Amino acid sequence: QSALTQPPSASGSPGQSVTISCTGTSSDVGGYKYVSWYQQHPGKAPKLIIYEVSKRPSGVPDRFSGSKSGNTASLTVSGLQAEDEADYYCNSYADFNNFAYAFGYVFGTGTKVTVL
Amino acid sequence: EVQLLESGGGLVKPGGSLRLSCAASGFIFSEVWMSWVRQAPGKGLEWVGRVKSKAGGGTRDYAAPVKGRFTISRDDSKDTLYLQMNSLKTEDTAVYFCSTEGPSGLQYWGQGTLVTVSS
Repeated sequence: QSALTQPPSASGSPGQSVTISCTGTSSDVGGYKYVSWYQQHPGKAPKLIIYEVSKRPSGVPDRFSGSKSGNTASLTVSGLQAEDEADYYCNSYADFNNFAYAFGYVFGTGTKVTVL
Repeated sequence: EVQLLESGGGLVKPGGSLRLSCAASGFIFSEVWMSWVRQAPGKGLEWVGRVKSKAGGGTRDYAAPVKGRFTISRDDSKDTLYLQMNSLKTEDTAVYFCSTEGPSGLQYWGQGTLVTVSS
């Protein structure tokens, strides 16, 4: 199962917005509502910030939003703040039948967000 | 407060074995599906596999790169998740995270334990 495709980097000034794309196939992103996004600061564990395409866990600011169209999901960070500088990974439930097991997860390649 | 604490990482030679543990607290461990995710140095996240709860069937699923070499298990009496890694390869070098798994994704994560496979 190939990793989902994300741009390697994105940047914006404080207060601006950045949008990160995550492209997969009909066997993962396009086929399920279970697309999630994770934020990871250097040396730290990933943190769930979006699940089921567009839902936010309790405590995650509404500056983070998610969407999906076809085989591509997107994460938008509005009103960029310094603490948003981190790596971001998309993740999707995936049909791995081609590899002789049922369902698993596939992550995106990761995007480093820089706050200028 | 949910806590996941991995242990058991270290240096091992290619072809060797290692068992990782993940001690859970702050939630009803037996009711939760659990996953392992790894991250090679300077690289992205990679899902390794999962074990479902007993109520969910207790079955295990693995990513292709580790299938047949890694085994995930759980001891609900000890609130502990395990990852038995055999026939280790240099490309298995990574930080290994355990995580809870549910409809809301991989919600809670441990801090990870480093496994280095090198001669």
